[in-house]
Amino acid sequence: DTGVSQNPRHKITKRGQNVTFRCDPISEHNRLYWYRQTLGQGPEFLTYFQNEAQLEKSRLLSDRFSAERPKGSFSTLEIQRTEQGDSAMYLCASSPPSDTQYFGPGTRLTVL
Amino acid sequence: QKEVEQNSGPLSVPEGAIASLNCTYSDRGSQSFFWYRQYSGKSPELIMFIYSNGDKEDGRFTAQLNKASQYVSLLIRDSQPSDSATYLCAVNVGNTDKLIFGTGTRLQVFP
Repeated sequence: DTGVSQNPRHKITKRGQNVTFRCDPISEHNRLYWYRQTLGQGPEFLTYFQNEAQLEKSRLLSDRFSAERPKGSFSTLEIQRTEQGDSAMYLCASSPPSDTQYFGPGTRLTVL
Repeated sequence: QKEVEQNSGPLSVPEGAIASLNCTYSDRGSQSFFWYRQYSGKSPELIMFIYSNGDKEDGRFTAQLNKASQYVSLLIRDSQPSDSATYLCAVNVGNTDKLIFGTGTRLQVFP
């Protein structure tokens, strides 16, 4: 499978717990993006990487959120002390050195 | 605040008809425009991208861009029930690769 992959696909957690999501981009893509999507809304940009460098972070990304892309390959998104408002679909996308982004299947987070 | 606006719909068309989906954007510096299709519970799937004014055709899909009017549209010819989905318009922000999405238009194609 040469597409973007994300794990886990679903995560249910209790408020206050930490969660971590993983994204594996298409192998030759050097750019990787994280978005969040809630019901009835379009995806909202969170952050993006070019290789291992994190180039931009949205104001939506509070200090409870951190993203990494060690070695410029896979990326992780961690949410600390989860809140019910964090419940959403977390989408990862990757692109080659252009701006055509291809999305993974997403991780659906439910915070109880 | 950079914005992308779409009519949320639903847009209902009969099978075989042309579906016309519209999108306006506020950032005059935007250079890249995308249409994604999203089925319920699934992630967005790239349908079309367009960078230059005018029309771009790919099979049953035609994207139209008018930068002067800050308007981009997607035409779907010979609509099929399998085209029933939410269509998201996305626009890059200025000279960046960051995309801003509209809220999507829900398309329903009935037999």
